[in-house]
Amino acid sequence: AQSVTQLDSQVPVFEEAPVELRCNYSSSVSVYLFWYVQYPNQGLQLLLKYLSGSTLVKGINGFEAEFNKSQTSFHLRKPSVHISDTAEYFCAVTNAGKSTFGDGTTLTVKP
Amino acid sequence: EAGVAQSPRYKIIEKRQSVAFWCNPISGHATLYWYQQILGQGPKLLIQFQNNGVVDDSQLPKDRFSAERLKGVDSTLKIQPAKLEDSAVYLCASSFPRGVGTGELFFGEGSRLTVL
Repeated sequence: AQSVTQLDSQVPVFEEAPVELRCNYSSSVSVYLFWYVQYPNQGLQLLLKYLSGSTLVKGINGFEAEFNKSQTSFHLRKPSVHISDTAEYFCAVTNAGKSTFGDGTTLTVKP
Repeated sequence: EAGVAQSPRYKIIEKRQSVAFWCNPISGHATLYWYQQILGQGPKLLIQFQNNGVVDDSQLPKDRFSAERLKGVDSTLKIQPAKLEDSAVYLCASSFPRGVGTGELFFGEGSRLTVL
C-alpha cells in the first residue's frame, strides 16, 4: 500500500517571498512522484515529476522539488511567489499505474 | 491537442435522484480514471479502465455507482440513487497505458455535483 501526507493544509505567504510545500510518502516499492496544481474550478495539471536520476527536478512556473529517499519526502519549493500562484497543490505517488494523492495544500499569496 | 473533456460541469439534484457524467479522454490514451474529490480532500480513485476493461474498481460503491467504457474511448459514470455524501467534484483523467507513459495523469475540468 502507498500513502501521501501533505504536512500543511494551508500556507499563506506574501508576494515575492519564498515558499516550501511539504510532502511525505510511504511505499514498500519504488514509486514515481508528482506535484499537481489545481486552480479554482479547474482540473489538476502537472507541475513536475520525479521518475529517476537527479533528485532535484524543475517544473513549470519556476517551481522545483527535491526527492529525498532516506526521508521519503518530495517537498515543493519556489524562491519567489506571485499572486497567480494562489491555488491548491497536490502531491501524488504512482506505482504500477495506480496514483495516490495527498489531501492538498492551499497556497495563498498575499500582496 | 485536445484535452480531456467532461460534461456537465455542474449538476444539482435531490437525494435519491440519479445523475450521469460523461468523459472523453485524450486521443490515444488507453487508460481512463474516475476520481471523486470531496471538498478539502485529494482525489480518490473510483474506477480505472484499460481500454474497455476494468483494472481497479475496489473503491467504487457498487450499490449506487456504475461506470462503463463500452468502446474503449469515452466513458460514463452514473450514480443512482444519489446520497448527500455524494456531493463532490468528479474528475476524469486519462494516461498512456502502464509501461508506456510515465504515469502522468491528464485531468478534465471536473463535474461538480451538489446533492440536496
